[in-house]
Amino acid sequence: DAGITQSPRHKVTETGTPVTLRCHQTENHRYMYWYRQDPGHGLRLIHYSYGVKDTDKGEVSDGYSVSRSKTEDFLLTLESATSSQTSVYFCAIRGSVRGDEQFFGPGTRLTVL
Amino acid sequence: GESVGLHLPTLSVQEGDNSIINCAYSNSASDYFIWYKQESGKGPQFIIDIRSNMDKRQGQRVTVLLNKTVKHLSLQIAATQPGDSAVYFCAEGGATNKLIFGTGTLLAVQP
Repeated sequence: DAGITQSPRHKVTETGTPVTLRCHQTENHRYMYWYRQDPGHGLRLIHYSYGVKDTDKGEVSDGYSVSRSKTEDFLLTLESATSSQTSVYFCAIRGSVRGDEQFFGPGTRLTVL
Repeated sequence: GESVGLHLPTLSVQEGDNSIINCAYSNSASDYFIWYKQESGKGPQFIIDIRSNMDKRQGQRVTVLLNKTVKHLSLQIAATQPGDSAVYFCAEGGATNKLIFGTGTLLAVQP
């Protein structure tokens, strides 16, 4: 593994509750990404960060916010979870702008009832 | 984990045979491409990458071929083993900081 952990690994919550997922890296990589993975859709980018306090939206950012207050942590928040946000969430890191592959964490399975 | 394989195209091969997994990419401006392997319940794992100025690149038991004319990428796995059973994704990247992923192919290795 590339020094990426995600917490929690599994979570069940109810519609309307806030949820925060954490991604932690020990590689000191600049770029961090949050994806969701759903059957038939592959990996879709939610948000990404290109440095501390520097973030940008991906293709499915509605209903999600992120924060990066330090290099090693990238938080994904669902302010008010909905059933459509039931998914597996993956964090990834990348060392440089071009050419370096993204390394993925183990994933968080989130169920919103 | 297990739900990743649902609704995916499936390639079924016999153990010991060679496997070829194909991918069509979308952006002619993409200048590098990556293949990932994802086993059930795990995150995607890097296999091999290739730059757009190359047609072929080889790794251990794997070869990636790139045909820019038709925007096609393939992953060849030699002497496929049961441990190769997984979902395989291609991804394309370019000047942005982001990768675009394909939906994946499920490789099922029959003993």
